Amino acid sequence: EDKVVQSPLSLVVHEGDTVTLNCSYEVTNFRSLLWYKQEKKAPTFLFMLTSSGIEKKSGRLSSILDKKELFSILNITATQTGDSAVYLCAVEAGGSEKLVFGKGTKLTVNP
Amino acid sequence: EAQVTQNPRYLITVTGKKLTVTCSQNMNHEYMSWYRQDPGLGLRQIYYSMNVEVTDKGDVPEGYKVSRKEKRNFPLILESPSPNQTSLYFCASSFVSFAGINEQFFGPGTRLTVL
Repeated sequence: EDKVVQSPLSLVVHEGDTVTLNCSYEVTNFRSLLWYKQEKKAPTFLFMLTSSGIEKKSGRLSSILDKKELFSILNITATQTGDSAVYLCAVEAGGSEKLVFGKGTKLTVNP
Repeated sequence: EAQVTQNPRYLITVTGKKLTVTCSQNMNHEYMSWYRQDPGLGLRQIYYSMNVEVTDKGDVPEGYKVSRKEKRNFPLILESPSPNQTSLYFCASSFVSFAGINEQFFGPGTRLTVL
């Protein structure tokens, strides 16, 4: 059965801290891994990762994939209160275009 | 404006009364998908569609039907809703490249309560 596990489930930090969110997966015929941010509404896309070892960056956010160890991390540096959200990881099982989501990591950034 | 729209946004209904949640996208995306989101369970895929007349079951298809007669529309049908289908529903769409499903655009969500 395809599975995506995110950790931690919840995290509380202070503004300015750096955080690392984890996503491990077991899927048949891995094709891609995607990160989303969800505030009090619909998820919004952050990154799509297909190749190991290539870091994707967008401002203070970055992400990398390790296809050998079957995990990805999402880093947020110099966190701000606006980073408070649930961060979702999803993996696409190739050949079926099915997407499996993890349960998310709830990040709270306190001033 | 590029967007995914869902209607209704909120719905309270009773057990057994058939309902349809509509989803429409204006980006000419091939891929469309329905999810439900429940506390502690995250987002779970109900059905998805790679193109017109092509639909497949996700992880939790029981009790739901979909159709894809036109590229832009992907309605979710609950023939006989039950209380365990009370949830927040999202529709999403994206292009599909050789690398896979690209950035998914999500609709605003439909909060459904089945009494």
